[in-house]
Amino acid sequence: AQSVAQPEDQVNVAEGNPLTVKCTYSVSGNPYLFWYVQYPNRGLQFLLKYITGDNLVKGSYGFEAEFNKSQTSFHLKKPSALVSDSALYFCAVRDKAAGNKLTFGGGTRVLVKP
Amino acid sequence: DGGITQSPKYLFRKEGQNVTLSCEQNLNHDAMYWYRQDPGQGLRLIYYSQIVNDFQKGDIAEGYSVSREKKESFPLTVTSAQKNPTAFYLCASERGQGNSPLHFGNGTRLTVT
Repeated sequence: AQSVAQPEDQVNVAEGNPLTVKCTYSVSGNPYLFWYVQYPNRGLQFLLKYITGDNLVKGSYGFEAEFNKSQTSFHLKKPSALVSDSALYFCAVRDKAAGNKLTFGGGTRVLVKP
Repeated sequence: DGGITQSPKYLFRKEGQNVTLSCEQNLNHDAMYWYRQDPGQGLRLIYYSQIVNDFQKGDIAEGYSVSREKKESFPLTVTSAQKNPTAFYLCASERGQGNSPLHFGNGTRLTVT
């Protein structure tokens, strides 16, 4: 069965410092990988996705993520964090070999301090 | 603007009552989903529908029911059989299955006392 792990419940970072949110996955076939962000009492917003091609994917609001097949990871990064980046971040994986089911990680709360 | 509308934003019910959450989309998306979000547990899939008049159970369908009579609408009923219904419910839609991202509504927070 496919799964997604976000090992950190919370990440604290100072404004202006690099931000990394970790995600590892397990699938039987080739993964489609997604990152979403959620602000309080709102739905999830799509940030970026990896389907195929370049391992470094660029998305919205200056975020990027690197697909690493050997480490089965898809970590989200931002070179310089903003206070407004404080939110809940979800990694998700879809495996076409498993009927295209989308599985979400448990989420990582990011707190950017001024 | 195209999007997904969930209503109401907050809903309060007494235990033992059924309640229906509304989800409407004007994105012309074929697939629609209902997720439940509890603190520390991420999103769990309740039901999904890929086409009109067809839907499948997700991971936690017990105590819930849905219908998909129109492409635009995918209401979720939380029945009295759901043992712990208090949660944040999210509706999403998708153009097709595979590499398209999901579009989410802003959720309905249901509190049952």
